[in-house]
Amino acid sequence: EAGVAQSPRYKIIEKRQSVAFWCNPISGHATLYWYQQILGQGPKLLIQFQNNGVVDDSQLPKDRFSAERLKGVDSTLKIQPAKLEDSAVYLCASSLVWGNEQYFGPGTRLTVT
Amino acid sequence: AQTVTQSQPEMSVQEAETVTLSCTYDTSESDYYLFWYKQPPSRQMILVIRQEAYKQQNATENRFSVNFQKAAKSFSLKISDSQLGDAAMYFCAYRSGSNFGNEKLTFGTGTRLTIIP
Repeated sequence: EAGVAQSPRYKIIEKRQSVAFWCNPISGHATLYWYQQILGQGPKLLIQFQNNGVVDDSQLPKDRFSAERLKGVDSTLKIQPAKLEDSAVYLCASSLVWGNEQYFGPGTRLTVT
Repeated sequence: AQTVTQSQPEMSVQEAETVTLSCTYDTSESDYYLFWYKQPPSRQMILVIRQEAYKQQNATENRFSVNFQKAAKSFSLKISDSQLGDAAMYFCAYRSGSNFGNEKLTFGTGTRLTIIP
């Protein structure tokens, strides 16, 4: 069974630029999560999708972050414009249904200079 | 809101020895799950072990076991016969068990485990 795929693995941008991350969950997984992990901290949930609908985006800075999950499969997370404090690892996770174990992807390390 | 605290930023253990990582949490819920995740340098979070709050028996997975003290809100991880491959960041995490749409994981700040050959 293929795991959660994410791209790119690394990204370096200047502040005020825009960036997008892509996630392909495990086949058949209805729930998809995006977490932000700042250096030295544990991951923090940004947004949760159930199929293509948003379940929880209370921690998403909506003035600059956006996310979508088209057709209930792949998802993209966008930051526009980026700030220095957005430097972090962005982790995507998926689970089969509500309440099941979350499987994580390898993450994207973003550096904003 | 739930919080998870890991008070040991770093731990080290000799290969083949036993080490215990500490975790405490705060919640007013009665139905929840607790997890230990391992994050090697590759950054991929790997589930090590999970514990359902309604279960009194401590979870065990091969060399990994937990000491779940519900009243004290404590959830420690014991790694027996430590191996070089166990070196990683270890995160304790909490998840509500009762509400659809509230299954986000709340993580602690992590403990970096070093294995000494």
